[in-house]
Amino acid sequence: EAQVTQNPRYLITVTGKKLTVTCSQNMNHEYMSWYRQDPGLGLRQIYYSMNVEVTDKGDVPEGYKVSRKEKRNFPLILESPSPNQTSLYFCASSVYEQYFGPGTRLTVT
Amino acid sequence: SQKIEQNSEALNIQEGKTATLTCNYTNYSPAYLQWYRQDPGRGPVFLLLIRENEKEKRKERLKVTFDTTLKQSLFHITASQPADSATYLCALSVDTGRRALTFGSGTRLQVQP
Repeated sequence: EAQVTQNPRYLITVTGKKLTVTCSQNMNHEYMSWYRQDPGLGLRQIYYSMNVEVTDKGDVPEGYKVSRKEKRNFPLILESPSPNQTSLYFCASSVYEQYFGPGTRLTVT
Repeated sequence: SQKIEQNSEALNIQEGKTATLTCNYTNYSPAYLQWYRQDPGRGPVFLLLIRENEKEKRKERLKVTFDTTLKQSLFHITASQPADSATYLCALSVDTGRRALTFGSGTRLQVQP
């Protein structure tokens, strides 16, 4: 089954404690991206990757890092999380239409 | 600045009627436009894609129109069912190479039985 998986699905952490959200897709897509979704603001792109070792900033990249060492994986790294990064995060992979993961609800206290 | 507008108020309709959702945009020349469905707490699910040179696209009970002169897309669900209740997101891409999508905030549709 074609899918995008994310882990963890829920995470509560404290300010400054580094965390990684994993994302994996089994569709051999070259393009992957990360979004955050906040009430009233919609989905906003954080980072994207057009292929292995090729990543670039989206609309709201501050405070985030990504890496793309393998085609299937695209982890999102928060080196020093802050409360304003509390949000619902989605990973997606695509050809043109985007396939979204189930989401990771992150709370930073 | 670039803007995508979807009606933030929920749309309530009776089962069996046609639901029509609107997506307006300004300061874009999109290469293509997409519609997604999102259920609470879940990831968006792709529904339809329409390109700038297409006027209309259909898939089962769904129809999308794209008017680049009016800078508007309409999304129709015919013979609506309670199971169609969800939030519907419009998304634009202006760069086929980057393939980045900019999303509207979505319109919540509630279909009453």
